[in-house]
Amino acid sequence: VLTQSPATLSLSPGERATLSCRSSQSIATNLAWYQHKPGQAPRLLIYDASKRATGIPARFSGSGSGTDFTLTISSLEADDFALYYCQRRDNWPPMYTFGLGTRLEIK
Amino acid sequence: QIQLLQSGAEVTKPGSSVKVSCKASGGSISTYVIIWVRQAPGQGLEWMGGIIPMLGTTNYAQKFQGRVKISADKSTNTVYMELSSPQSEDTALYYCAKASETEVYFDHWGQGTLVTVSS
Repeated sequence: VLTQSPATLSLSPGERATLSCRSSQSIATNLAWYQHKPGQAPRLLIYDASKRATGIPARFSGSGSGTDFTLTISSLEADDFALYYCQRRDNWPPMYTFGLGTRLEIK
Repeated sequence: QIQLLQSGAEVTKPGSSVKVSCKASGGSISTYVIIWVRQAPGQGLEWMGGIIPMLGTTNYAQKFQGRVKISADKSTNTVYMELSSPQSEDTALYYCAKASETEVYFDHWGQGTLVTVSS
């Protein structure tokens, strides 16, 4: 299980956003973060817990290892208000798990 | 740059079946894990299952075992997801996605296909 908190985060542009993802088992750094907007495909932001995917702005950063992970957006822009999911892979049986998501909304 | 193009929206009746395709361009997907994920209205992303087209090996989330069949056609670089006996609660957006080489995360996604189950 991946537990994301908070379920909803209300912030203003320019503020710092901190999103949490907790795994029920230790997964080293095998965690990814995605941004999902209505009508669009999910977009990979962070992989291996802290590596930014191609083209992702530097204001997005990831940290953590083991069971506790954080996605930080240093200074929110209007385009950042969306759903955010964390995701892990289980080795056996091979399967993938997504968290329930954090909705980042404009305050 | 690999792009995944999914088939169009479907309306299907309860108890029938529906098949969605995911065609890749810009490179071969045959050696990568390709998964299907869905998002029901108001819900989060849910992994359904996946395939490695080159090997034909599949695995499914327990919830979808026996009701979902994922297949691939290497000659057309296309992966399919067939859902049997759909019910209203299967109404959702369905996405395909390509895994990274490490098979840990997903770096390319299809645009999504809306499947509506309605009598």
